[in-house]
Amino acid sequence: GAVVSQHPSWVICKSGTSVKIECRSLDFQATTMFWYRQFPKQSLMLMATSNEGSKATYEQGVEKDKFLINHASLTLSTLTVTSAHPEDSSFYICSASRTGIQETQYFGPGTRLLVL
Amino acid sequence: AQSVTQLDSQVPVFEEAPVELRCNYSSSVSVYLFWYVQYPNQGLQLLLKYLSGSTLVKGINGFEAEFNKSQTSFHLRKPSVHISDTAEYFCAVRSSGGSYIPTFGRGTSLIVHP
Repeated sequence: GAVVSQHPSWVICKSGTSVKIECRSLDFQATTMFWYRQFPKQSLMLMATSNEGSKATYEQGVEKDKFLINHASLTLSTLTVTSAHPEDSSFYICSASRTGIQETQYFGPGTRLLVL
Repeated sequence: AQSVTQLDSQVPVFEEAPVELRCNYSSSVSVYLFWYVQYPNQGLQLLLKYLSGSTLVKGINGFEAEFNKSQTSFHLRKPSVHISDTAEYFCAVRSSGGSYIPTFGRGTSLIVHP
């Protein structure tokens, strides 16, 4: 149990376009999901906390208008990178905690975004 | 607030040798501790976690870690590594109450040579 999926696993897009990344908890309900960004050879940087049915909480320095987060159901959160630029190229990872059992986060496989 | 220090950015070892990946943390409150493994181009997989109880925690793939409160450490060990253990390992800490967002260390790259 506790499987988290992400789609797509790889995406290449042109500069100026928008890209949507989905994060799904496949076998559990997740009131809260998290979005991370990881640069090469570095640790995970928390971008935002996504709460089902409410607005996401963004970390300092993360542009909420550029990284739109929607958590429409207990099993799905989406991250949309709007007007993507080459500097947005990165590895984006989501995680989820079981509703009511918050001590452990389960991570998705990540999405590699390359903006040309 | 918590912080995590992974003292080694890279640890090269030979296959079948023992390995220890070091992790120290700081926190003013009681904590939960985690080790995650990340294989190339993949997300993080939970190796083991310490929530309470026995300070020696056994995880998947033959890994174990020991919580040492006095030394504020949570070092990861494996008695005999395989080539397939080559990956990035992240230590993480979060408070046992309040915010459940973990703080991650910078990661340690374990490189197993044949």
